[in-house]
Amino acid sequence: EADIYQTPRYLVIGTGKKITLECSQTMGHDKMYWYQQDPGMELHLIHYSYGVNSTEKGDLSSESTVSRIRTEHFPLTLESARPSHTSQYLCASSEGDSRAYEQYFGPGTRLTVT
Amino acid sequence: GDSVTQMEGPVTLSEEAFLTINCTYTATGYPSLFWYVQYPGEGLQLLLKATKADDKGSNKGFEATYRKETTSFHLEKGSVQVSDSAVYFCALSERNRDDKIIFGKGTRLHILP
Repeated sequence: EADIYQTPRYLVIGTGKKITLECSQTMGHDKMYWYQQDPGMELHLIHYSYGVNSTEKGDLSSESTVSRIRTEHFPLTLESARPSHTSQYLCASSEGDSRAYEQYFGPGTRLTVT
Repeated sequence: GDSVTQMEGPVTLSEEAFLTINCTYTATGYPSLFWYVQYPGEGLQLLLKATKADDKGSNKGFEATYRKETTSFHLEKGSVQVSDSAVYFCALSERNRDDKIIFGKGTRLHILP
């Protein structure tokens, strides 16, 4: 069983609010990732990190930002939520090279912006 | 660039039927190949993987063989169960890809009792 957690699991919030989606892992993994999953189930990488103080933008442009101050914690923030941000957000972590090591996924946060 | 193409769903089968979900890939190098599964309300989890040509990955009765000549990694199971209902993602990871995984669009599988 993977030890990676996301909170909240579900969030409904109004337009313009600032929100932070939490992601924590207890496996000591250096690499962490955020994916956005659209209703058709397709996954899009929006942010990733190689370790503390490392953050990179993913393949899909996103208005969200991330930080990595501690190895185990990789929160995602939206400064001003909009209806277009409505989606499922999945956090993942990996021990090392993705060719050899699997990515462990959290259960996801389903965000609805009204 | 690298890409993964898998058969569109949804796929609906009766319990104990044979399952094939097709997956082909395009890569500039020599990738590792994966199948991930997402059960309802959960994140993805690794189902099986193969890291070199002709390797067969297997888990929970599912199998897939890395076919370099046809650039394919088709998922098969001889007798599906209702509990196999989920979304299945084919994926690849290649050296010098910044440790990213390229996922297919996913195939939703429904198994009827």
